[in-house]
Amino acid sequence: DAGVIQSPRHEVTEMGQEVTLRCKPISGHDYLFWYRQTMMRGLELLIYFNNNVPIDDSGMPEDRFSAKMPNASFSTLKIQPSEPRDSAVYFCASRQGTGELFFGEGSRLTVL
Amino acid sequence: EDKVVQSPLSLVVHEGDTVTLNCSYEVTNFRSLLWYKQEKKAPTFLFMLTSSGIEKKSGRLSSILDKKELFSILNITATQTGDSAVYLCAVGRDTDKLIFGTGTRLQVFP
Repeated sequence: DAGVIQSPRHEVTEMGQEVTLRCKPISGHDYLFWYRQTMMRGLELLIYFNNNVPIDDSGMPEDRFSAKMPNASFSTLKIQPSEPRDSAVYFCASRQGTGELFFGEGSRLTVL
Repeated sequence: EDKVVQSPLSLVVHEGDTVTLNCSYEVTNFRSLLWYKQEKKAPTFLFMLTSSGIEKKSGRLSSILDKKELFSILNITATQTGDSAVYLCAVGRDTDKLIFGTGTRLQVFP
């Protein structure tokens, strides 16, 4: 299996622009998680899905952040409008049931 | 509020040294504790611990959980430069969420 696939790997944008991060989980995994990692706060859970349904979005910082999972093989995390404080590495992870969590390589976002 | 605290924040050792990394937690409805290794990219899974006192071992790495005192340790013996990484501790609750600590940065010099 190719593992969790994220795109883009790097994104540099200007404040106020819309950013869309994409994730393809491992086939057969029924859970998908979006995390954000910064030096100051470490890995923070933003939102997770079970069978394509959002279960807990309490970690989403504010209304500028939204996430969707239209089918079992694709999810997006959107930031609109982006701000410099959104600069971070965004990880997508998936797992099957209560099994091991597999992370993607991350999307490094820089908002100027 | 749920909390996972790792110590030390960073550690510098020489090859061959043994290191102990600590993870303490305050989490309601604890289910499991996991250790991950993060080099330059994605965290990779090391261990999952659910029961107190049972050591998990993989090569030079081992880990144990104390559910009474609410902590876990990760030991690495005979360290190598390839062990240099950030080691993350995460605690799973009865929900599906994992709460991560901020990690311990280990640097192993030849």
